[in-house]
Amino acid sequence: NAGVMQNPRHLVRRRGQEARLRCSPMKGHSHVYWYRQLPEEGLKFMVYLQKENIIDESGMPKERFSAEFPKEGPSILRIQQVVRGDSAAYFCASSPTATGAGELFFGEGSRLTVL
Amino acid sequence: DQQVKQNSPSLSVQEGRISILNCDYTNSMFDYFLWYKKYPAEGPTFLISISSIKDKNEDGRFTVFLNKSAKHLSLHIVPSQPGDSAVYFCATFSNSGYALNFGKGTSLLVTP
Repeated sequence: NAGVMQNPRHLVRRRGQEARLRCSPMKGHSHVYWYRQLPEEGLKFMVYLQKENIIDESGMPKERFSAEFPKEGPSILRIQQVVRGDSAAYFCASSPTATGAGELFFGEGSRLTVL
Repeated sequence: DQQVKQNSPSLSVQEGRISILNCDYTNSMFDYFLWYKKYPAEGPTFLISISSIKDKNEDGRFTVFLNKSAKHLSLHIVPSQPGDSAVYFCATFSNSGYALNFGKGTSLLVTP
């Protein structure tokens, strides 16, 4: 998973605040995926983006969550008005092409704690 | 709905012995499976994969077996080493083709 950079690694927010998680994919990768891991659970797909486009957001909660991958800069996962249930590890992954027969490269995750 | 199921949350094995981690899936249309390994406070790392055209894939100490009729796959690690202690996730692609569906993971502990 070397190369996929996520920050911050740890983030503490109070209920109602906003959380912004950033992900820089591996060099040469233009496909970014966000996953969430709740305690005692596996990773759940949230959203798949290419540069400037959201390809699939079927795993995103309908409200308060948004993601972007601008032409310049990292991908951002934004959570507005956080609630305690948002406390989780958020993992970003990247790939050089749209996957279907290859692995994703994951970052080390951003751990969000909502007080 | 859990499309990929790992029914054993944990497994303890002695160093040098074989570790067998199991995974069941629900959809016979799934045709590519992956195993990821995860250490605490790190992201998952790809370990090994298998396509449905095969029933076995081997990479060093790691072998994955696929039983399509039973919709079951297993990861064998032999010989197990203490450094193998981690959480292992099996995964497959969703119908969309790019979203990975993960099992809940099996925590492997290899004791000296």
